[in-house]
Amino acid sequence: EAGVAQSPRYKIIEKRQSVAFWCNPISGHATLYWYQQILGQGPKLLIQFQNNGVVDDSQLPKDRFSAERLKGVDSTLKIQPAKLEDSAVYLCASSSWTAGYTFGSGTRLTVV
Amino acid sequence: SQQGEEDPQALSIQEGENATMNCSYKTSINNLQWYRQNSGRGLVHLILIRSNEREKHSGRLRVTLDTSKKSSSLLITASRAADTASYFCATDDSNYQLIWGAGTKLIIKP
Repeated sequence: EAGVAQSPRYKIIEKRQSVAFWCNPISGHATLYWYQQILGQGPKLLIQFQNNGVVDDSQLPKDRFSAERLKGVDSTLKIQPAKLEDSAVYLCASSSWTAGYTFGSGTRLTVV
Repeated sequence: SQQGEEDPQALSIQEGENATMNCSYKTSINNLQWYRQNSGRGLVHLILIRSNEREKHSGRLRVTLDTSKKSSSLLITASRAADTASYFCATDDSNYQLIWGAGTKLIIKP
C-alpha cells in the first residue's frame, strides 16, 4: 500500500510571497488532515476534511491560509501571504475507520 | 490546542538501557496513540491503546494507560541507536481528531 504523498519536501520563500503544498492520501481514506508542526512542538491541526467537506478548520488562520479537497482525494494547502512565523513542517495525514492514521513525510517551509 | 504533555522533554540513555516516557492528558479519550518522529521526517505510528485497555505490547514497546490518572507511559526496552527520535503521544477524541503533546526527545548513546 502506498503511503501519503506530499510535495514539495522543502520550500524556501520570502515573506509576503505565496506557497502551496500538495497531498495525496492513501487510496480509500475518507479523512484527510493538515497539521502545522513548529520546531520543538507537537503537530497542530489546521484543517480536517471528511471526503471533500470540512469537518474542522477552527485553528486555520483563514486570513492567509486556505485548503481544498475538491474531489475528495488530493488536497492542497495554500498560504498567501506568508509570514516569518509560518516557518514549520506541514504534515498531511489520512485515516479510515479501520486503518488508523498515516502521515506523509511533510513539507518543510522556511520563510525568510 | 495541546492536550498531551510528555515528560521528560528530553532523555539521554546508553544503548541497551530501557527508556520510559510519560504522557498526561486532560479530557476523556477514545484512545491514546504513540508516534515516533525522526529528525526531518514524518510521524510513524507506533502503538494505539484504547480507553478500556490498560497495557499493550508491540515488540520492544510496552504502553500502559491509566484513565483514572489520565496518563500513559511508553517503555522501550533494550534501546538501540536507531531508537533515537522524538516520541509524541496523541489522544483521539470523539471527532477522530488527534491532539498532541510537545514530545520527548530521546537520544541513545552508543
